[in-house]
Amino acid sequence: NAGVTQTPKFQVLKTGQSMTLQCAQDMNHEYMSWYRQDPGMGLRLIHYSVGAGITDQGEVPNGYNVSRSTTEDFPLRLLSAAPSQTSVYFCATRTGTRYTNYGYTFGSGTRLTVV
Amino acid sequence: DQQVKQNSPSLSVQEGRISILNCDYTNSMFDYFLWYKKYPAEGPTFLISISSIKDKNEDGRFTVFLNKSAKHLSLHIVPSQPGDSAVYFCAASTSGSARQLTFGSGTQLTVLP
Repeated sequence: NAGVTQTPKFQVLKTGQSMTLQCAQDMNHEYMSWYRQDPGMGLRLIHYSVGAGITDQGEVPNGYNVSRSTTEDFPLRLLSAAPSQTSVYFCATRTGTRYTNYGYTFGSGTRLTVV
Repeated sequence: DQQVKQNSPSLSVQEGRISILNCDYTNSMFDYFLWYKKYPAEGPTFLISISSIKDKNEDGRFTVFLNKSAKHLSLHIVPSQPGDSAVYFCAASTSGSARQLTFGSGTQLTVLP
């Protein structure tokens, strides 16, 4: 049982390059999300999805695209990388309902540097 | 404007003593609070939570206290152990279908042997 798997673990991009951060889960959780962690800022929500075919923006969505074609995968795309996107990115799934306590499971992160 | 604030970036405590990590929030609609622990090169892992209908929740060495009138919560670790050295994030959410988490900036706890 792998939980939430993120690839790659590290990546260096040049400004203007594009790339996709992969996130896969084997827990059949409907909800998946992407966060970025920056020094002094905590984790901030980029995009989230409540199920296949449904995505929505979080707090800091600009510069990122997402899609959700399957329950298992939720890739995050950077179409034209900028130095401001240098960060550590975490994918997370969630269990529970609005009437119960939610439980989040995070991946181990992708450290992205844009030069 | 940060809705969840952890004003202490770091805290050092002697092994065996109590660690107290603090968190303040500004959004009175928050009704569920969580603490996450994060080791380097790993994702955050859930530690303990508390609903706004309670003022205390315990789980082994970890206790979370909630003071709604002061919009303040704290995490107590007793006794502290070197393995507790990590970054601790406070998070909060509101009722509703989204229930997104809003995180604080984290506190680096170092437990000295």
